[in-house]
Amino acid sequence: QSELTQPPSLSGAPGQRVIISCTGSTSNIGAGYDVHWYQQFPGVAPKLLIYANTNRPSGVPDRFSGSKSGTSASLAISGLQAEDEADYYCQSSDSSLGLLFGGGTKLTVL
Amino acid sequence: EVQLVQSGTEMKKPGESLRISCQASGYRFSNNWIGWVRQMPGKGLEWMGLIFPGDSDTRVSPSFEGQVTMSVDKSINTAYLQWSSLKASDTAIYFCARRSLSARNFDSWGQGTLVTVSS
Repeated sequence: QSELTQPPSLSGAPGQRVIISCTGSTSNIGAGYDVHWYQQFPGVAPKLLIYANTNRPSGVPDRFSGSKSGTSASLAISGLQAEDEADYYCQSSDSSLGLLFGGGTKLTVL
Repeated sequence: EVQLVQSGTEMKKPGESLRISCQASGYRFSNNWIGWVRQMPGKGLEWMGLIFPGDSDTRVSPSFEGQVTMSVDKSINTAYLQWSSLKASDTAIYFCARRSLSARNFDSWGQGTLVTVSS
């Protein structure tokens, strides 16, 4: 069980907006550590989607946005597309445990 | 272009030793931490540890302490992950990834190495 909690699954219709949450604690997200998000398709390596809470690497569509507040962070995907169907992971740091990944969220586009 | 190229699929028996590799190119290898991440079949990502190629300083997740060894060979821009005695529970895909200089995220990933341990 990860120290960063994500919903195991989420679904949405094309065009909708979905939000994936990542809940931590005062020893990780709440301690001020940044949150990063990754997208992973089956059988391939993860790809950085959002870094340092709100920043998109070059090439990532602006439909993807990140936020952080208190001990939680969120990834929002607007204008959902079929190609967004993937697994999404949050990542942060912890004062005792080093780096952490969330358990992952499987996003299904209906 | 930053690239991390990992060694190929491995099939091993319990008790055997193994070393997998991750060769970097497209940037100054000594400057960025390299991380290792495990993904067991059908499961999520687990951070195993970090190694700094500049001086081989390592940080190991408490969950993997004593289970694996990380090392680098700066002369060939390659990081390694090593087991001395594999268990069936080590069956997984192992990713190496470059940690960003500016944030504690992984900005480039290897393609992954599938390790299967079975008698």
